[in-house]
Amino acid sequence: ETGVTQSPTHLIKTRGQQVTLRCSSQSGHNTVSWYQQALGQGPQFIFQYYREEENGRGNFPPRFSGLQFPNYSSELNVNALELDDSALYLCASSSGSVNTGELFFGEGSRLTVL
Amino acid sequence: SQQGEEDPQALSIQEGENATMNCSYKTSINNLQWYRQNSGRGLVHLILIRSNEREKHSGRLRVTLDTSKKSSSLLITASRAADTASYFCATDEYQAGTALIFGKGTTLSVSS
Repeated sequence: ETGVTQSPTHLIKTRGQQVTLRCSSQSGHNTVSWYQQALGQGPQFIFQYYREEENGRGNFPPRFSGLQFPNYSSELNVNALELDDSALYLCASSSGSVNTGELFFGEGSRLTVL
Repeated sequence: SQQGEEDPQALSIQEGENATMNCSYKTSINNLQWYRQNSGRGLVHLILIRSNEREKHSGRLRVTLDTSKKSSSLLITASRAADTASYFCATDEYQAGTALIFGKGTTLSVSS
């Protein structure tokens, strides 16, 4: 148990819809990173939030957006869903603005886009 | 983009045998980490090795790092059925500073 919780655990959407995924970080952590993991692949970095500001972004289009709240929990929003957005979305918390150490992952939200 | 590439993609062994997985990466790094993922679940951190270290141990795990070859290996000794999982190496992209870049992983199957 890492203390990182994600919701919902599973959800099904149709193409064109919008989705919001939520993450509560581990106590004492001020950084949240989001990753997308397609079936059979490694996690791909979407973006990171540090103290409520975006602190790095991977190669994902602007329809992937995020937010971090004062309690350091975070949301990932995806607009105009496409079939290829079907994946496991992982949230990870850590401390500090630079990845020099361990990430603590939640169990993920599995999104299916039909 | 994916920085690390694990080899082999899949590995099947018997309980009690050793399992070795390799990881290669492309750019300079500050550290390299190994994570484990049980089927469809979150990743669990196993071990971190810094760029100025050559070898590190943690229980039945041994990690080596060769920065001249840009490669690392993870050895699991005396494997157990409970070690069945996917294993990923992850590196920090030196220039990016914030992202951990994961490889595609090695799927390990340990049969009893």
